[in-house]
Amino acid sequence: KQEVTQIPAALSVPEGENLVLNCSFTDSAIYNLQWFRQDPGKGLTSLLLIQSSQREQTSGRLNASLDKSSGRSTLYIAASQPGDSATYLCAVRRNSGGSNYKLTFGKGTLLTVNP
Amino acid sequence: EADIYQTPRYLVIGTGKKITLECSQTMGHDKMYWYQQDPGMELHLIHYSYGVNSTEKGDLSSESTVSRIRTEHFPLTLESARPSHTSQYLCASSVTGSSYNSPLHFGNGTRLTVT
Repeated sequence: KQEVTQIPAALSVPEGENLVLNCSFTDSAIYNLQWFRQDPGKGLTSLLLIQSSQREQTSGRLNASLDKSSGRSTLYIAASQPGDSATYLCAVRRNSGGSNYKLTFGKGTLLTVNP
Repeated sequence: EADIYQTPRYLVIGTGKKITLECSQTMGHDKMYWYQQDPGMELHLIHYSYGVNSTEKGDLSSESTVSRIRTEHFPLTLESARPSHTSQYLCASSVTGSSYNSPLHFGNGTRLTVT
C-alpha cells in the first residue's frame, strides 16, 4: 500500500527566504507526482505535475524535483512571499493497470511566510 | 479561476436527513472524483467516475452514493446523515483522454456538519 509522508508538517519563514518542502513515498512504481496548494477553507490548486520519466518541473518561483528510485520529491520555493502562505500537498498516482486513476495524498506542509 | 463548482459551501443538518452535494464542471472533463478530507488529514478518494453512467467506489469506504447522468454533473448523496459524516467533501475533475498525466482541478469543497 502506497504511503506518502510530508516533512515538515509546518514551516514558518521570513519573507524573501528560499525554502524546500519534502515528500516521500513508499512504492516507487508511480505514474506521476503532483504538488498542490490549499488555502484555508478552499479546494486544491494544482501547482506542478512531474511524470515518472521526468526529473523536475518549473513554474515561476516553484521548482519540483522527483527521484523515483529513492521515493522522494522536493518542492523548492524561491524568494518566498506572504501570499505563498498555504498548505502544500503532495500526491502520487499509481502505476498499476486499472487503478491508475487513484491518487495517494500526503497530509501536507502548512507554510507561513511572515512579512 | 476554477471551472468546477460545488454547492453548498457549508451545510449544517440534523441526523437522519437526506442530503445531496452538488458538483458541476464546465470543462468537458470525462473523469470526476469525490474526496473526503478531515482537518489536518490526507484526502481520501470515496468515488470516481470515468464517464457517463460509469462510477466506482474509492479507497475509503463511504455510505454515500453518486450518479453520473451527464458529463458535467456528479452529485453525491447521503440517504441518512450521521455525525460521523461530518467532514469536508471535495469534488475534482481531470481532462479527457487515456493519459493520466493531467492535473486534477478541484472545487472549493462543501463543509458538512451533521448534528
